[in-house]
Amino acid sequence: EIVLTQSPGTLSLSPGERATLSCRASQSVRSNYLAWCQQKPGQAPRLLIYGASTRAAGIPDRFSGSGSGTDFTLTISSLEPEDFAFYYCQQYTSSPYTFGQGTKLEIK
Amino acid sequence: QVRLVQSGAEVKRPGASVKVSCKASGYTFTNYYIHWVRQAPGQGLEWMGIINPSGATTDYAQKFQGRVTLTRDTSTSTVYMELSSLRSEDTAVYYCARAYPHFDYWGQGTLVTVSS
Repeated sequence: EIVLTQSPGTLSLSPGERATLSCRASQSVRSNYLAWCQQKPGQAPRLLIYGASTRAAGIPDRFSGSGSGTDFTLTISSLEPEDFAFYYCQQYTSSPYTFGQGTKLEIK
Repeated sequence: QVRLVQSGAEVKRPGASVKVSCKASGYTFTNYYIHWVRQAPGQGLEWMGIINPSGATTDYAQKFQGRVTLTRDTSTSTVYMELSSLRSEDTAVYYCARAYPHFDYWGQGTLVTVSS
């Protein structure tokens, strides 16, 4: 099983600042089958990034993903008020299809 | 447009079973696998299993082996998740999601509450 570890657990920033979220895998994620999703309270997760670096349809270009192998990063270049939420990384390369424990992005 | 619409909230007694549906529309149902993921209150996302709507093959997380069953009805483009021997720890929101292979579309979620 691929274990995904996200850091930090909570990130406190202000609108306009840059956010950098990390996801580390216990073994290599083949084909970079690593996605990031955003979840707001009471809502279903929403896909942001797949294939480690490809933005999903309709996702603003302030969101970007990078990394390969075991280390991945989600960057939000300039935070908007609606970006404060939970973020999860997830691997879909092999069963069981695991998620990281999440990063809470909160307003400072 | 692609939509996954799930059935409504359920309240069950410990030891009972629950069956949640996920109706797909806007694409060819048999072309994409469907995952099930759950989220306990205040917790993260937990993968439960996957079904291939074409051949009905399934794969389950070890934690749920023997308690979860995924089925599908191709005539109505609906996938079902049945969880048996419910306990209080199964109280959660249950989501279906389409596999592209990434999880590109999600259902709205179904709250299952297990309480005596």
